[in-house]
Amino acid sequence: GQNIDQPTEMTATEGAIVQINCTYQTSGFNGLFWYQQHAGEAPTFLSYNVLDGLEEKGRFSSFLSRSKGYSYLLLKELQMKDSASYLCAVRSNAGKSTFGDGTTLTVKP
Amino acid sequence: EAGVAQSPRYKIIEKRQSVAFWCNPISGHATLYWYQQILGQGPKLLIQFQNNGVVDDSQLPKDRFSAERLKGVDSTLKIQPAKLEDSAVYLCASSKGQGGTDTQYFGPGTRLTVL
Repeated sequence: GQNIDQPTEMTATEGAIVQINCTYQTSGFNGLFWYQQHAGEAPTFLSYNVLDGLEEKGRFSSFLSRSKGYSYLLLKELQMKDSASYLCAVRSNAGKSTFGDGTTLTVKP
Repeated sequence: EAGVAQSPRYKIIEKRQSVAFWCNPISGHATLYWYQQILGQGPKLLIQFQNNGVVDDSQLPKDRFSAERLKGVDSTLKIQPAKLEDSAVYLCASSKGQGGTDTQYFGPGTRLTVL
């Protein structure tokens, strides 16, 4: 089975940097995804990691350490519109994705 | 490119009634997923189809939930009879395949309220 842990809530200031952590335990790892979900909307894809290291995409970066079962999502130059829930999801070798319960990020002026 | 379509967007029913949700995936996507998302939680996979075959339905409460994907395109999810704890958003997603890099794209969801 798969177990995913991420903080429930975080608060940050507009223009700052925030790091959202995700730890996981899985039997058969085949990738880790980060999704953004605004209240009342569907999740949208942000990033994908399958190898160790940092993937950068504009203001958002995602890091993976497979040996530690650890990932983080880094958001730079925070904007008010970044207030949302951020979901970490792990895909197994069988192609099944398990989601964490999400981290609700509040960006304050 | 059109996204994943779902209907209805909202549904309110009384417990013990039946309800059905419909999903049309992105054209050409072989893999289709139904998730249940309870308020404050992440999406929980109910069933995963590859074309019209079931890949995983280990978390589908089969005594009351059923799903089908005839012809490997559209899919329906049914609940019969509904319970109060079924109140949630039901998300449909699709991806090209089941490979590690195949991103899931989500539809807008159906918000179900069971009274």
